Amino acid sequence: KAGVTQTPRYLIKTRGQQVTLSCSPISGHRSVSWYQQTPGQGLQFLFEYFSETQRNKGNFPGRFSGRQFSNSRSEMNVSTLELGDSALYLCASSWGTGGDNEQFFGPGTRLTVL
Amino acid sequence: AQSVTQLGSHVSVSEGALVLLRCNYSSSVPPYLFWYVQYPNQGLQLLLKYTSAATLVKGINGFEAEFKKSETSFHLTKPSAHMSDAAEYFCAVGYGQNFVFGPGTRLSVLP
Repeated sequence: KAGVTQTPRYLIKTRGQQVTLSCSPISGHRSVSWYQQTPGQGLQFLFEYFSETQRNKGNFPGRFSGRQFSNSRSEMNVSTLELGDSALYLCASSWGTGGDNEQFFGPGTRLTVL
Repeated sequence: AQSVTQLGSHVSVSEGALVLLRCNYSSSVPPYLFWYVQYPNQGLQLLLKYTSAATLVKGINGFEAEFKKSETSFHLTKPSAHMSDAAEYFCAVGYGQNFVFGPGTRLSVLP
């Protein structure tokens, strides 16, 4: 079974631009979560989608948004990029939603904002 | 809100020595507990998961963790460290609809 895939793997943008990251979950998984990982803040939860609905949201500004499609694939968008948005963005999928569902992670998209 | 603490942001052990990575959680109700490992430039990989079936959980790569309710702890151990164990380790707590990660512990293995 194929794992979680994320595209692109690396991205360089400049301040003020916007970016869209994509995540394809493991086949059959209906929940997709997004995390931002930085050396200073560690792993921070962005949001979770389940069956095309946002179920949970972390403490990030409205510039960060996401969506999920009917095939469970998910995208996240960051508008008006800031230098501080430079991070590894990780996507994780799970079969269901809830704390008992182990999450399977993709390799991440490394975003650099110049 | 639930929280997860990992004592020691960086732990160094010699090859062949015992690995002990500490994790404590705050919860009045036993949660689901996980340990993940992250190798450089990769995503997180599940090492093991506690789901109340047994207090001692065995995972991949020779790791195991013991759930101690009285201490609200879920420490990760491995009897003999290998160079390939050098990575960052994250403890995570699942409860309700939420999943909370600890800050991580970077493990270095010295030859």
